[in-house]
Parts: sequence; structure tokens; C-alpha cells
Amino acid sequence: GQNIDQPTEMTATEGAIVQINCTYQTSGFNGLFWYQQHAGEAPTFLSYNVLDGLEEKGRFSSFLSRSKGYSYLLLKELQMKDSASYLCAVREGDYKLSFGAGTTVTVRA
Amino acid sequence: IAGITQAPTSQILAAGRRMTLRCTQDMRHNAMYWYRQDLGLGLRLIHYSNTAGTTGKGEVPDGYSVSRANTDDFPLTLASAVPSQTSVYFCASSEADTYEQYFGPGTRLTVT
Repeated sequence: GQNIDQPTEMTATEGAIVQINCTYQTSGFNGLFWYQQHAGEAPTFLSYNVLDGLEEKGRFSSFLSRSKGYSYLLLKELQMKDSASYLCAVREGDYKLSFGAGTTVTVRA
Repeated sequence: IAGITQAPTSQILAAGRRMTLRCTQDMRHNAMYWYRQDLGLGLRLIHYSNTAGTTGKGEVPDGYSVSRANTDDFPLTLASAVPSQTSVYFCASSEADTYEQYFGPGTRLTVT
């Protein structure tokens, strides 16, 4: 089993930077995912980390430290359309993912 | 390319009734999954299938069953619905070498 913790809510201003932290405890780590989910829609894939370090994809970056059981998702140059829930998910063993409860990010003008 | 489709989009169901949620993907992915999403609890895995002909239990399998007769279809059945099964149900699929999961649009189920 897994414990995955992330903040419930975050608020930031348009154009700013927000960092969403995720901590996890697992008996067999095999990758960490971040998904974005707009209200009433399906989750969509943002990033995948399996090795320590930073993965950058445009305005979004994801960091992983396996020894600390820690990841963060960094959203830069925030836009109104970035208002959504961000889900941290850990893969343990085969294909299955365990998800955190999600962080709702609200971007204000 | 449709990706993953789910049916119905939403359903109101009387307690005790049997219901099958349908999921079809056209990406030829080996693995498929069923999740339920409840406020404050996030996505929880109900059942999964690594390949056609095999299925496995996830975190919350009780009251649900699945089958995987072929690669494309992965139906989820509630044999006798209860109000606690009121939720949004998402089907997902993934290819073995990428592990990224693609989600369907979801089914909103209300059991009264």
C-alpha cells in the first residue's frame, strides 16, 4: 500500500509560479506521475519521473527525490486555464497507479 | 481516433439493480483500469487488466466485477448497486512501455 500526501488547495496570481508538493511512502517505487484534471473532465497526463532530478516540459516541470519520497510539480507563468486539480500518482511494481487526493489550484487575475 | 469511450455518460440507478458500465479503447493498449473518484478521496483503483484474458483486484474491488474478453473492451459490472457506489467512474488504458494512462470521459453514477 501507499500513503500519498499533497496539499488540498493552492491559490496563485496569473503570471506567478506555484509549486505543488507530493510526499509518498511505498514499499516498491517504480515511477511517479502528475496528472491535470479540469472540473468535470478526465485526468490528462502531465509528467513522469522515475529517476531523481528535474524534468521540464514548457511551463511545467516535475522534480523527484526517491530517497526522500518527495516530488513537486512546478507551474510557471500561470494562466487562467491552469486552474484545475493536479494529481500525484505513484506506480508500485506493475502497471497500477495509486493516486493522491489531488491539489486544487485556483489562478486569480 | 476516439481514444477511450465510456457509456453511459450518466445514470441514476435504483439500489439493488444490476448495472454494467462500458469502456472501449481503440489504441490497442494491453492494460486497462477502472477507477472511482469521490470528493476528497481522489482516484481509487477498482479492478485492472494487464492483458486480454486476465484481470486483477485493485484497492476497492468489493461489489464490482470485470471481464476482459478482448483487447478493446473492459466492462465493469455492479451486481447489486448500493448508495455507497454513487461516484464518478473512469476507465483508463496504457501501453506497457510508456506506462502513461489515458482516461475516458467518465460515467457519473447515482444510486438511490
